[in-house]
Amino acid sequence: AQRVTQPEKLLSVFKGAPVELKCNYSYSGSPELFWYVQYSRQRLQLLLRHISRESIKGFTADLNKGETSFHLKKPFAQEEDSAMYYCALNHNQGGKLIFGQGTELSVKP
Amino acid sequence: GAVVSQHPSWVICKSGTSVKIECRSLDFQATTMFWYRQFPKQSLMLMATSNEGSKATYEQGVEKDKFLINHASLTLSTLTVTSAHPEDSSFYICSASRGIPPYEQYFGPGTRLTVT
Repeated sequence: AQRVTQPEKLLSVFKGAPVELKCNYSYSGSPELFWYVQYSRQRLQLLLRHISRESIKGFTADLNKGETSFHLKKPFAQEEDSAMYYCALNHNQGGKLIFGQGTELSVKP
Repeated sequence: GAVVSQHPSWVICKSGTSVKIECRSLDFQATTMFWYRQFPKQSLMLMATSNEGSKATYEQGVEKDKFLINHASLTLSTLTVTSAHPEDSSFYICSASRGIPPYEQYFGPGTRLTVT
């Protein structure tokens, strides 16, 4: 069954520290993965997608098919990065997304 | 571009009444729209997928007679919660997709429903 797992409910780091938000997936085909972010009182928005291999706001994520992971990383966390982060899997290439449970990132000054 | 609006942003209704939530894609045509439910500090739970002009596809465990979805045009989908109960109180979020790769979903701001 298709599944996305984010093992950490809350991740707290200090400003300037590296951050890694974990995401593991279970999918039988070729996965299409995304990271979405939800800042306080704002709508969910796309942060990055694995096929673009892009870096947004200093965040990167590499798809590791061997480990079935798509961890989100940033070398130096900023206070404005504090938000809920959701890893999502495109189900059967049809647009339906399967979301992980979400990780709340708290960056302390 | 790719803005999705929801109306109302919050609504309070009495038990037993019905409430309609609108989701609109403002600057693009949305072949597919999705409805989610989100509990506080929890993830989004997909309720149903609707394609313009056809019946919605509901996820397992979602009562189709209780949560009526209509996607009458390429820019509008509605979710009607019928005979609402307090346990239906939640944050309802819609998203819209152009229906073509990379199938990106654009999310609305959500609607807070409180049933008293």
